[in-house]
Amino acid sequence: AQSVTQLDSHVSVSEGTPVLLRCNYSSSYSPSLFWYVQHPNKGLQLLLKYTSAATLVKGINGFEAEFKKSETSFHLTKPSAHMSDAAEYFCVVSDHKLIFGAGTRLAVHP
Amino acid sequence: GAVVSQHPSWVICKSGTSVKIECRSLDFQATTMFWYRQFPKQSLMLMATSNEGSKATYEQGVEKDKFLINHASLTLSTLTVTSAHPEDSSFYICSSRTYFGPGTRLTVL
Repeated sequence: AQSVTQLDSHVSVSEGTPVLLRCNYSSSYSPSLFWYVQHPNKGLQLLLKYTSAATLVKGINGFEAEFKKSETSFHLTKPSAHMSDAAEYFCVVSDHKLIFGAGTRLAVHP
Repeated sequence: GAVVSQHPSWVICKSGTSVKIECRSLDFQATTMFWYRQFPKQSLMLMATSNEGSKATYEQGVEKDKFLINHASLTLSTLTVTSAHPEDSSFYICSSRTYFGPGTRLTVL
């Protein structure tokens, strides 16, 4: 069975500093992996997805994630945080259905 | 890109009434749609998989008679919360395989 673990429930950064949101997955075969962002009382927006092509995936809003099979990780990064990045982020692995991590709340302060 | 819409975006109803939530795929056809429930400050919980032209597949612990799903066409899936109670208050989100609707906030008084 597939599963995904987001290692941090909360991450707090200063505006302009790098962002790292950690995600580890468990899968018996090559998975499809996604990162979604959810702003308060909004639906989910797809940031990026990995589907066994390039291991470094570039997404929207300057985010990217690297698939590392040896570490079973798919961490999300951004070089410089903006205030508008404050939101909830979900790491997701795809079986025949999407399996969600618990989420990481990103706070960005001035 | 692919867009999924939901209607209504929010609804308030009295206890004991039924509420229907619509999920539409706007520029693509979806044989399969997914319905999720999200409690405040929590992750999404998959409730059921909606299959066009056949019965929905419910996750363990989800009452199929409570949460009626109909997928009558390739662009429309509906979730009806029957005889709603305050504990059914939640944020309900539908999706295609990778694109999510904006969600429906249900409050049951």
